[in-house]
Amino acid sequence: VVLTQSPGTLSLSPGERATLSCRASQTVTSNLLAWYQQKPGQAPRLLMYGASSRATGIPDRFSGSGSGTDFTLTISRLEPEDFAVYYCQRYGSSRYTFGQGTKLEIK
Amino acid sequence: EVQLVESGGGLVQPGGSLRLSCAASGFTFSDFSIHWVRQAPGKRLEYVSAIGDDGLIYYATSVEGRFTISRDNSKNTVYLQMGSLRLEDMGVYYCAREAGGWSEFDCWGRGTLVTVSS
Repeated sequence: VVLTQSPGTLSLSPGERATLSCRASQTVTSNLLAWYQQKPGQAPRLLMYGASSRATGIPDRFSGSGSGTDFTLTISRLEPEDFAVYYCQRYGSSRYTFGQGTKLEIK
Repeated sequence: EVQLVESGGGLVQPGGSLRLSCAASGFTFSDFSIHWVRQAPGKRLEYVSAIGDDGLIYYATSVEGRFTISRDNSKNTVYLQMGSLRLEDMGVYYCAREAGGWSEFDCWGRGTLVTVSS
């Protein structure tokens, strides 16, 4: 399964809404899709799993949706600390792949 | 506090070998699967290998036959023995804890840098 994220770069201002897309080349069974946030020089951090469940400690401005082959990560109101690179990941039964990432930058 | 700490990275020549370690603390290590993920400079995350709590092992096609993963539950440590290293193996190697049942990664280490160069 190939995961394609769009856009490659998203330029927005704090307070705006961000919508990030992850499209799979085949159906992602049981919505086994996660989202991670990575800041420069840091390890990735789990944001969402099961396409729409927030990980522990993740603010509710982050939400995930989608099923099948199309998934979305939405950040309702951007905070300064949200500007980072975001990756989607397919998982399950030893089949792990990552998207190429979306860079969310300050406009 | 759940923590993973990688070590063992460094500079190695093409064709050489290196052993990475991932030391865990703050949780019952033997109950969890541990994965390795790498990231070349400026590139996407790439899945490398996994070892389950039951000892089941998985490798990405790109490293199969060259890398060996193992774990020592008495030392709360997972190892990644890397051989026949290539330029394309260069990058930051992260270990990550799987939440359970071939699921998402809920804790990551800070990574260790592997540089392959002559």
